[in-house]
Amino acid sequence: DSGVTQTPKHLITATGQRVTLRCSPRSGDLSVYWYQQSLDQGLQFLIQYYNGEERAKGNILERFSAQQFPDLHSELNLSSLELGDSALYFCASSALAPGTGGTEAFFGQGTRLTVV
Amino acid sequence: TQLLEQSPQFLSIQEGENLTVYCNSSSVFSSLQWYRQEPGEGPVLLVTVVTGGEVKKLKRLTFQFGDARKDSSLHITAAQPGDTGLYLCAGALEYGNKLVFGAGTILRVKS
Repeated sequence: DSGVTQTPKHLITATGQRVTLRCSPRSGDLSVYWYQQSLDQGLQFLIQYYNGEERAKGNILERFSAQQFPDLHSELNLSSLELGDSALYFCASSALAPGTGGTEAFFGQGTRLTVV
Repeated sequence: TQLLEQSPQFLSIQEGENLTVYCNSSSVFSSLQWYRQEPGEGPVLLVTVVTGGEVKKLKRLTFQFGDARKDSSLHITAAQPGDTGLYLCAGALEYGNKLVFGAGTILRVKS
C-alpha cells in the first residue's frame, strides 16, 4: 500500500459527459502529480500541484482541469469526454519539494475510465 | 516522440537468464527513477539515482545512471518468474517539477 488513495477505482461513462477523479496523497506529501496511461501512449504526465499551486503542466488537454485543495487532496476533472479518453488515470504524491532534485513519486492504484 | 526511450519494449526470457533494460534521452535529468508495475496496479518505485555514474544494487537488480545523467540501465541477474512485470524509467526535469516516463519494458520470465 503506497498510502495514495484514488477514487473511484472504475468509472464508465458516456461520450460528452464530465467526471471527477479524486486523489488523497500520502500523509504529509505536498506534491501531487496526475498521469494518464493508455495502451498506445504509455504513462503521460498531465499536471503537478505543490501545496495548492500548479507547478508543472504536461500533455493535459484543455477539456481537462485539476486542482489541489487546502487539505492537499486533488481532483482531476475531465469534461466533454471522448472515446479516446478511456485510460487509466494515476495520481502520485511526493514528499520532496520541487527543486530538490531527487523526486520520488508514490502512486495510487489508479482510476480506470471507460468512455462508451 | 518519447523524451525517454526505453528498450527493449518486450522481453521474454527463461528463468535464470540475465537481462538489461535501457533508458536513453538527449535531455539531462536531475534524477532518474525505476518503477515496476503489475497489471491493475500503480507503478511501484524501485530505486532513485541522482549522481552521474551512480550504481545502485537491489538484490539481483543493478541500476546505473549515466555519467552525463541522460541515460540509465537496469540489469537483472538470474531472472525469476516473480520479476515479470512492466518496468518503467522516469526522469525528473526542472528539478522535480516534472517527472517524465519512458514507454516501459514488458518483461516475462518463464519457468
